[in-house]
Amino acid sequence: AQSVTQLGSHVSVSEGALVLLRCNYSSSVPPYLFWYVQYPNQGLQLLLKYTSAATLVKGINGFEAEFKKSETSFHLTKPSAHMSDAAEYFCAVSGDTGFQKLVFGTGTRLLVSP
Amino acid sequence: EAGVTQSPTHLIKTRGQQATLRCSPISGHTSVYWYQQALGLGLQFLLWYDEGEERNRGNFPPRFSGRQFPNYSSELNVNALELEDSALYLCASSLAIGQGYGYTFGSGTRLTVV
Repeated sequence: AQSVTQLGSHVSVSEGALVLLRCNYSSSVPPYLFWYVQYPNQGLQLLLKYTSAATLVKGINGFEAEFKKSETSFHLTKPSAHMSDAAEYFCAVSGDTGFQKLVFGTGTRLLVSP
Repeated sequence: EAGVTQSPTHLIKTRGQQATLRCSPISGHTSVYWYQQALGLGLQFLLWYDEGEERNRGNFPPRFSGRQFPNYSSELNVNALELEDSALYLCASSLAIGQGYGYTFGSGTRLTVV
């Protein structure tokens, strides 16, 4: 079975500062890992995904995430926050075997101040 | 390529009535997933359909039901509406196998129960 823990329901940064959103996973099989972003009153948009290739994954809008098996983590980072990055971010995990659905974390709301 | 489309965008119903929400997946996707996103509760998994069959169900009462049609589109029905059913209902689609693809989400249906 898979699960995801997102530390911090809210993260506040200043414009231009580093963004770090934390995600730890649990999986009984090698995982696939995803980050999604949700802007107000919209659906979720895929930011990036890890599917057992390179451990450092680059996504859209300057975001990237690093898969660290030893730490069971998949934290999302961006070197310099923009006001437009303010949104809710969801981490998700799925196994690479069988017929499994994605399991989502509870989300982290990113607030960006000028 | 058309994305996942959901209709209607907004729906207002009276307590006790029935609501029907519709979802058309991306062409070639055979799996459809439904999520409820109520204020402050994150993404709650409702239902998963693939090839016309219900594959998995979340922890929701039986008055939440659905089906998947031969063209892979799907319908979510909510009977005997309650005020707490007010939420954004998100539909997502994916290929049934190879979970490394992740999900593609629609923009959602905002259901308001008054």
